[in-house]
Amino acid sequence: GENVEQHPSTLSVQEGDSAVIKCTYSDSASNYFPWYKQELGKGPQLIIDIRSNVGEKKDQRIAVTLNKTAKHFSLHITETQPEDSAVYFCAATTGNQFYFGTGTSLTVIP
Amino acid sequence: DAGVIQSPRHEVTEMGQEVTLRCKPISGHNSLFWYRQTMMRGLELLIYFNNNVPIDDSGMPEDRFSAKMPNASFSTLKIQPSEPRDSAVYFCASSFSANTGELFFGEGSRLTVL
Repeated sequence: GENVEQHPSTLSVQEGDSAVIKCTYSDSASNYFPWYKQELGKGPQLIIDIRSNVGEKKDQRIAVTLNKTAKHFSLHITETQPEDSAVYFCAATTGNQFYFGTGTSLTVIP
Repeated sequence: DAGVIQSPRHEVTEMGQEVTLRCKPISGHNSLFWYRQTMMRGLELLIYFNNNVPIDDSGMPEDRFSAKMPNASFSTLKIQPSEPRDSAVYFCASSFSANTGELFFGEGSRLTVL
């Protein structure tokens, strides 16, 4: 099956700086790569996703890049704000079954 | 839509007791997933249903765990008998699977087994 690895496990940045989280996957058939944000006591919520026919996608301060050849994808958050502090999960899927990374705990220091 | 609804939000029980977690997926979604989240193992897929039929239950830890989906709007995850190592947050999620769609999570059920 698919194996998704995520780094780093924890990340602290100063407010206003950028944050980058990286994931790799093993199954070249994976074609959909969502990113989820989980706040304390809540369920994961989709913040951005990318499909395998696209190399980059941007939504305001967040962006995701995908390198199919290298089988890795990254989340970029610019101009970080304290409310960006949360746990972020990447995932990969070929169809119904989603494989999640182990999560990155992001802390934005005011 | 109210989103994926899970109950109870919190459950504290004693070892050996039966636990039933409930989930109402988003109307129109035809895939439903049960995940378990712990600090040690992250998000683990326990089982998923497509059109109310269990497709993959290989993640169910052992026979003490069972899941049902009697209709498109309701699913249960049962643990009998419960053990302290079952303590975790259990998430239900649903999606419209026709096009590898977005997975929507509920708020989770935090289970503590004493």
